[in-house]
Amino acid sequence: GAGVSQTPSNKVTEKGKYVELRCDPISGHTALYWYRQSLGQGPEFLIYFQGTGAADDSGLPNDRFFAVRPEGSVSTLKIQRTERGDSAVYLCASSLSMTSSYNEQFFGPGTRLTVL
Amino acid sequence: TQLLEQSPQFLSIQEGENLTVYCNSSSVFSSLQWYRQEPGEGPVLLVTVVTGGEVKKLKRLTFQFGDARKDSSLHITAAQPGDTGLYLCAGLRGNTPLVFGKGTRLSVIA
Repeated sequence: GAGVSQTPSNKVTEKGKYVELRCDPISGHTALYWYRQSLGQGPEFLIYFQGTGAADDSGLPNDRFFAVRPEGSVSTLKIQRTERGDSAVYLCASSLSMTSSYNEQFFGPGTRLTVL
Repeated sequence: TQLLEQSPQFLSIQEGENLTVYCNSSSVFSSLQWYRQEPGEGPVLLVTVVTGGEVKKLKRLTFQFGDARKDSSLHITAAQPGDTGLYLCAGLRGNTPLVFGKGTRLSVIA
């Protein structure tokens, strides 16, 4: 299908390691969002891209988290020096734009990150 | 503090029963969305409500946006096992990021 895809679907790593999570948005969607969903919680906003630039990164919890979208399509969320508290499902979503009130976002299946 | 409070947190009902879940806030939203999420998948948008007092129907699901645009409800008539899932409300204020509630986990037993 032509939905949002995320890889890997599962990632197990050790405390202190570096991880990269990838998101392929729907073709033509200029807006891309990263969320983190912990057990029993709703998705929590991390960062949003409009094209290549990060329009709002206010949700990134600290400077260990970084995301890029160099060509305005695929995005990578990078986490340095992972901690056990980083364990969660990381969701990516894309939409045509951020400017509409309707702002329909299409979500990928998520990457489940487990930090041992 | 949670900007959007959803209740109940968990709900287990028999097939054929009706139910209502709530999404409340002290903040005003320009629009409010309801999503359904199944295990291992991302949330899927069900509806967006924009106007205070608006009611939208999607088959057996009825969504209402409060007059003051601070709260919303989702009513399901004659629930079916296929309705089982996590129901999330999410609010939008201008161009700020979507804010999600914690969700209501619904289980419909055949």
